Amino acid sequence: NFMLTQPHSVSESPGKTVTISCTRSSGSVVSSYVQWYQQRPGSSPTTVIYEDNQRPSGVPDRFSGSIDSSSNSASLTISGLKTEDEADYYCQSYDSTFWVFGGGTKLTVL
Amino acid sequence: EVQLVESGGGLVQPGGSLRLSCAASGLTFSSYVINWVRQAPGKGLEWVSALSGSGVGTYYADSVKGRFTISRDNSKNTLYLQMNTLRAEDTAVYYCAKSTPRALGVIFWGQGTLVTVSS
Repeated sequence: NFMLTQPHSVSESPGKTVTISCTRSSGSVVSSYVQWYQQRPGSSPTTVIYEDNQRPSGVPDRFSGSIDSSSNSASLTISGLKTEDEADYYCQSYDSTFWVFGGGTKLTVL
Repeated sequence: EVQLVESGGGLVQPGGSLRLSCAASGLTFSSYVINWVRQAPGKGLEWVSALSGSGVGTYYADSVKGRFTISRDNSKNTLYLQMNTLRAEDTAVYYCAKSTPRALGVIFWGQGTLVTVSS
């Protein structure tokens, strides 16, 4: 089994751009798609990126996803930060018959 | 509009059983892999189980294999999770989650139902 490691927390100011990383411990990050989920306090998660860089309908294009094979990691980038983006963000990928989630990153917009 | 509504959570003693339900609407239910994902209080997300649209392919996390059983009734647009031999570490909010078209992640989440295992 592999692990997905995320920074525990990140912070940035409104209007700025922030990038959250998700590093795969073993196996290649390009071998299986990565998803990203947003969870605001007291709410259920929502999907902001699926299949590395696809946005579900209704998700603003301020959210983007990418993969870097050199660092074996995926990234979620949020531009034009808004206070409503303050939330926990989780990456997720899979291996054969099971899914793996990262530990989550708390984004503070201050 | 897609809706996934979980029910059946509650307080149960260690070693006990509980059955969760997830009622779906606004989608062709039998066409999608549906999952259960849980979140312990103050912790991150953990995938629990998945079931193919036909109900034939079942998948479980090692932490619940042999204790939990996932099933579905496509005529009722409902997914179930039968949880037996419950442990304190099974305490969590359980989310029903619709898979992406390739079933590699979640595209839509329910609101969740809380399961508390305690004496």
